[in-house]
Amino acid sequence: DARVTQTPRDKVTEMGQEVTMRCQPILGHNTVFWYRQTMKQGLELLAYFRNRAPLDDSGMPKDRFSAEMPDATLATLKIQPSEPRDSAVYFCASSGGSRDDKETQYFGPGTRLLVL
Amino acid sequence: DQQVKQNSPSLSVQEGRISILNCDYTNSMFDYFLWYKKYPAEGPTFLISISSIKDKNEDGRFTVFLNKSAKHLSLHIVPSQPGDSAVYFCAASVIANTGNQFYFGTGTSLTVIP
Repeated sequence: DARVTQTPRDKVTEMGQEVTMRCQPILGHNTVFWYRQTMKQGLELLAYFRNRAPLDDSGMPKDRFSAEMPDATLATLKIQPSEPRDSAVYFCASSGGSRDDKETQYFGPGTRLLVL
Repeated sequence: DQQVKQNSPSLSVQEGRISILNCDYTNSMFDYFLWYKKYPAEGPTFLISISSIKDKNEDGRFTVFLNKSAKHLSLHIVPSQPGDSAVYFCAASVIANTGNQFYFGTGTSLTVIP
C-alpha cells in the first residue's frame, strides 16, 4: 500500500526556533508538493518540485521558509525562525505515478505545527 | 486572490438524501478539476475528477458536474451516508510554463445526519 509519509505528525515549538518537516513521496512519483492548511485560506500551495527541481515556490515566505529535495525519496520544508502565525497543518503530496494518474495528488497525513 | 471558491463552509444533510457541494472558479484556462475528501487528522484523498472537455463524470454514488460557461463545478453524493461526513475540497489545474498548477478551494464541511 503505497503512501506518502510525513514526519513529525505533531510539532510544538517556541517562536524563533527552527522547524524541519520531512516527507517521503510515493516511490516512482516525480512531483512533490508542499501545502499549508489554514482556516482562512484552505489549502495554500507553498512550493512544488518535479524530478527534484524546484518549479514554483512563489507561495512561500522566502525570508524564513525553504524547501529542498536532497534525493528522490525525501523532501524537506524548513522554517527558520518560526513565528506564531506559521501555526497550521502542513501537507506534502506527490503525483506522477503514471500517464493516466498524472493529475491526481496523493497526500500525506500532515504535520500539525504549533508555534508558541 | 482565490481562483477557486467554495462559498459554503458547511452543509448538513439527512442520511439517504442528496448532498450537493458547489465550487466556483475564475480562471477560464483551468482544464482539469478534482474533488478531494478529508477526514480529521488525515490528509486529503482523491475522490473524483473531470476534464474540461466533459460536463459530467460519475463514479458510484458520486457525480461531478461542470458548467464551463458559468465557471461552476458541483459534486453530488446520492444517497448520502454518515461515512461521507468530511471536509470536501474542490481543486482546479492549469498548464503553466513550469507544469501543472493546482489551486484548491477553502473546503466545505459535510455532515450527514443518521
